[in-house]
Amino acid sequence: AQSVSQHNHHVILSEAASLELGCNYSYGGTVNLFWYVQYPGQHLQLLLKYFSGDPLVKGIKGFEAEFIKSKFSFNLRKPSVQWSDTAEYFCAVNGPFNKFYFGSGTKLNVKP
Amino acid sequence: EAQVTQNPRYLITVTGKKLTVTCSQNMNHEYMSWYRQDPGLGLRQIYYSMNVEVTDKGDVPEGYKVSRKEKRNFPLILESPSPNQTSLYFCASSLSSTLGPHHEQYFGPGTRLTVT
Repeated sequence: AQSVSQHNHHVILSEAASLELGCNYSYGGTVNLFWYVQYPGQHLQLLLKYFSGDPLVKGIKGFEAEFIKSKFSFNLRKPSVQWSDTAEYFCAVNGPFNKFYFGSGTKLNVKP
Repeated sequence: EAQVTQNPRYLITVTGKKLTVTCSQNMNHEYMSWYRQDPGLGLRQIYYSMNVEVTDKGDVPEGYKVSRKEKRNFPLILESPSPNQTSLYFCASSLSSTLGPHHEQYFGPGTRLTVT
């Protein structure tokens, strides 16, 4: 079975700090990659996606992610976080047979 | 408004009592899917459907059934719920069933199910 690993389970940052959340996946073939955000009590919303082309993708709210095929990684970054970024972040991969695989999530707590 | 809707949003039931959670999308999406979300485990795919009458198992299909008789609806059925199915359930849909630029999923608001 495919797997998606998010290495950071809880991250605490102060406002204006930089953010990088790691994501690694196990499938070696063609994939679509996603980062979703879940604000407290809400459903998942798409932050950004990669399906082909430029490996550096930009999403909403100043987030970006870099696809490094050789490392099977798709790390999420933001240069300066805000208190409103407090949420849980999920990396997801769509691989073979059109199944989706999600990481276990990273809870981000931004202190004002 | 383009959206995925789920009903009910909250449900408390007892072991063995059959239940159905409905999911509907108004975006003419081909692909629909059900997930359960449990603390520390992220989202796990239960079943998915690439189009009408086409469904397949995800990673955790045991104890669940689905059907896709119409493009817009994708109900999740628990024939005999058990306490280990207590979870937060999300339905999702995407425009395309194939890898590419239109395969991101749009999620419903979630259904919190408690089985006692």
